[in-house]
Amino acid sequence: GAGVSQSPSNKVTEKGKDVELRCDPISGHTALYWYRQSLGQGLEFLIYFQGNSAPDKSGLPSDRFSAERTGGSVSTLTIQRTQQEDSAVYLCASSLTSGGYQETQYFGPGTRLLVL
Amino acid sequence: AQTVTQSQPEMSVQEAETVTLSCTYDTSESDYYLFWYKQPPSRQMILVIRQEAYKQQNATENRFSVNFQKAAKSFSLKISDSQLGDAAMYFCAYRKSFGNEKLTFGTGTRLTIIP
Repeated sequence: GAGVSQSPSNKVTEKGKDVELRCDPISGHTALYWYRQSLGQGLEFLIYFQGNSAPDKSGLPSDRFSAERTGGSVSTLTIQRTQQEDSAVYLCASSLTSGGYQETQYFGPGTRLLVL
Repeated sequence: AQTVTQSQPEMSVQEAETVTLSCTYDTSESDYYLFWYKQPPSRQMILVIRQEAYKQQNATENRFSVNFQKAAKSFSLKISDSQLGDAAMYFCAYRKSFGNEKLTFGTGTRLTIIP
């Protein structure tokens, strides 16, 4: 079946502008994660959604970052007043949850964000 | 807090040979999962192999196998019969078993396959 999809694939923006990144998880997956991968670094957790529960926002680096998940499916990560240090690849992942145990996370292709 | 360490930023191997990528981790949990993900230039993170900590038997997926040493908190990946398509960044990752837990990643190892 279809995997996790993300759009846009690449985004170039000017410092100070707002951007929205979209993630469409695998159908039926109740858990959705956002990660950030800065140049030459591993992945850094940003935010997690599980069903209708309150999201785990513990990884968001500042209040300029926010995310929502509508209808338990598509998620949007918004970065307000972008800064050059926000330049990175933003990866989304989804997984099933069964009996409180989460299954393997499957990743999308990511959005490469460049802030000029 | 859990940490994952990959001490080899880069590795290279001749095509058809075997290579081992190292990973160590730190946790106070007794039950958890460990993963190896592959990230080719396309950026797509692809699951290579997964190990449940409660299982003593090392996971194997075709040419990929792990050496899981729970007491030493070590989780290495062995790639046998290396192929050109194996060239990628490889990330080791940790996750608690139960609950809403994120993956904690190492900084990755870039694997080059020499024809």
